[in-house]
Amino acid sequence: AQSVTQLGSHVSVSEGALVLLRCNYSSSVPPYLFWYVQYPNQGLQLLLKYTSAATLVKGINGFEAEFKKSETSFHLTKPSAHMSDAAEYFCAVSDPGGSEKLVFGKGTKLTVNP
Amino acid sequence: DARVTQTPRDKVTEMGQEVTMRCQPILGHNTVFWYRQTMMQGLELLAYFRNRAPLDDSGMPKDRFSAEMPDATLATLKIQPSEPRDSAVYFCASGHGTSTEAFFGQGTRLTVV
Repeated sequence: AQSVTQLGSHVSVSEGALVLLRCNYSSSVPPYLFWYVQYPNQGLQLLLKYTSAATLVKGINGFEAEFKKSETSFHLTKPSAHMSDAAEYFCAVSDPGGSEKLVFGKGTKLTVNP
Repeated sequence: DARVTQTPRDKVTEMGQEVTMRCQPILGHNTVFWYRQTMMQGLELLAYFRNRAPLDDSGMPKDRFSAEMPDATLATLKIQPSEPRDSAVYFCASGHGTSTEAFFGQGTRLTVV
């Protein structure tokens, strides 16, 4: 069964600093991987996805993530944080061709300080 | 602007009452997910459907929860009887399988007192 571990339930950065949110996955087959963002009192919105094409994936709002099979990681980065990036971020995994469940990590709450 | 619609947005009910949450998936999507979000457990998958057929509901307490898709435009999640521990935000999401993204509704915030 696939699973996701997000290291750090809270991350705090200064405006303009690098954002790095960590995600490690466990899957018995090559996975599909996703990052979602949730703003307060809202549903989840897709930031980006990896579906076995390019290992470096670019998403919306300047975010990107790199799939590293050897490290079973899919960390999310953004070079320069904006105040509007403050939200909760979720990494998710599915196993195409298998159960195809979409399983989420516990989430990382990002705070951006002025 | 296609979106997943969930009703009601907020529900307060007394313990023991029946609760029904509804979801209208995006037209043409063939996969529907129900998730529950709490502070302690995060996002838990309760059930999901493909082409209206339930594929997995192992995350759902069977004695009190039930999920159905009466037709392609409506998914329902029912709790009977409700308990205070069911208080959470319930999200519905739809998509074309899981190779593409799941689109989430705004959620139903359930409070059982």
